[in-house]
Amino acid sequence: NAGVMQNPRHLVRRRGQEARLRCSPMKGHSHVYWYRQLPEEGLKFMVYLQKENIIDESGMPKERFSAEFPKEGPSILRIQQVVRGDSAAYFCASSPSGGGEEQYFGPGTRLTVT
Amino acid sequence: GDSVTQMEGPVTLSEEAFLTINCTYTATGYPSLFWYVQYPGEGLQLLLKATKADDKGSNKGFEATYRKETTSFHLEKGSVQVSDSAVYFCALNFGNEKLTFGTGTRLTIIP
Repeated sequence: NAGVMQNPRHLVRRRGQEARLRCSPMKGHSHVYWYRQLPEEGLKFMVYLQKENIIDESGMPKERFSAEFPKEGPSILRIQQVVRGDSAAYFCASSPSGGGEEQYFGPGTRLTVT
Repeated sequence: GDSVTQMEGPVTLSEEAFLTINCTYTATGYPSLFWYVQYPGEGLQLLLKATKADDKGSNKGFEATYRKETTSFHLEKGSVQVSDSAVYFCALNFGNEKLTFGTGTRLTIIP
C-alpha cells in the first residue's frame, strides 16, 4: 500500500511565477490536509479538503493561495505570483475519514523562490 | 486558541542516555495528543498518540502519558540510540480535524 505521494519533491521558482504542488493521498483516504513548514519552525495548518470540497481553509493566506481536491486525480496546492517568503516545505497528509484520526504525511515539497 | 509548547532544542545526548522532551498544551476541552518524528529529508511519521486523560502511548521504546491535571504529554525513552536522532513534534487534534503542532525539538544522539 503506497503511502502519501507528493510531487515534485523540490521546486524552484522565480518571484512572480506560479507554483503547483501535487498530493496523492493513500489509497482509500478521502481527506487531505496541507501544512507549511517554514525554516526552523513547526508545521502550520493551511487547508483541509475532502473530495470536491474545502472543509477548512482557516490557515490559508487570503491572496495568491488556492487548493483543490477534484473527484479524480491528486489534490493541488497552487501559489500564484510567488514571493521569497513562500519558500518553505509544504506537507500533505491524508486520513481515511477525518474525525481526528491519525494523519499520514507525505515526504513534502520543498519550494525555493529565487 | 489551541496551542502546543515544546521544550526548545537542540538536545544532544550520549547513546543509552535517558530522554525527556517536555510538551504542554492549551486547549478548551480534551484533545487527542500526538508525537510525530521527522527524520532528515523526510515527512512526519506518527510515533505515538493518546486520546484521553491518563492514556499512555508507546512505540519503539518511547512513551508519553496524557496528564490532564498538568496539561502535559512529555516524551520519554529510557535508553536512546543514534538512530533516534531526528526532530520530534508534539501535536494536538481537537475536533476540527487540523493538527496543531509545537515548534519541534531537534535531538542528536552521539555514540
